Amino acid sequence: SQTIHQWPATLVQPVGSPLSLECTVEGTSNPNLYWYRQAAGRGLQLLFYSVGIGQISSEVPQNLSASRPQDRQFILSSKKLLLSDSGFYLCAWGEYNEQFFGPGTRLTVL
Amino acid sequence: DAKTTQPNSMESNEEEPVHLPCNHSTISGTDYIHWYRQLPSQGPEYVIHGLTSNVNNRMASLAIAEDRKSSTLILHRATLRDAAVYYCILREYGSSNTGKLIFGQGTTLQVKP
Repeated sequence: SQTIHQWPATLVQPVGSPLSLECTVEGTSNPNLYWYRQAAGRGLQLLFYSVGIGQISSEVPQNLSASRPQDRQFILSSKKLLLSDSGFYLCAWGEYNEQFFGPGTRLTVL
Repeated sequence: DAKTTQPNSMESNEEEPVHLPCNHSTISGTDYIHWYRQLPSQGPEYVIHGLTSNVNNRMASLAIAEDRKSSTLILHRATLRDAAVYYCILREYGSSNTGKLIFGQGTTLQVKP
């Protein structure tokens, strides 16, 4: 069966510091991968998606970037965090009809 | 991406059926109707999807209007564990399918014991 991992589960970072969140998927090959963010009390916003290694599409302009160095690895990064980057970050992988979400990382930027 | 409109919140009593509406008047012929739900502090989980015909699975039923401009997610017997935000999403299928899901604000369902 397929599983999706995200780490860390929680993170507190100062403004201006770098960020790296990692997501890995097991049990499937060549999945579509997605990064979402949910700010406090808000809906989910799609940030990036990838249909293959090295292929990244950005949905909204922002302070973040994404990379897919391996088939089942998706990384979300920032060089300098802003207060507005706080939120719940979710990675997901997709089959034809369904997306499966990871446990999420709760990021607080102080 | 076509948009959907849902009520911000709904309440239900435990053990009673719940009908969650969704309007999607600009739906196109290649849009499937997907429903996801998000429990507190968790990622969303898939509930059900359909194109034209009504659909049933172990979690819920999906009733789709004949003109496809609206749909209703039906929970047959609400439990306290069904309290969540329910999202109705239109997803286009085609040769350039990326599988993207564009989430709206959803409906927050409260279930009273």
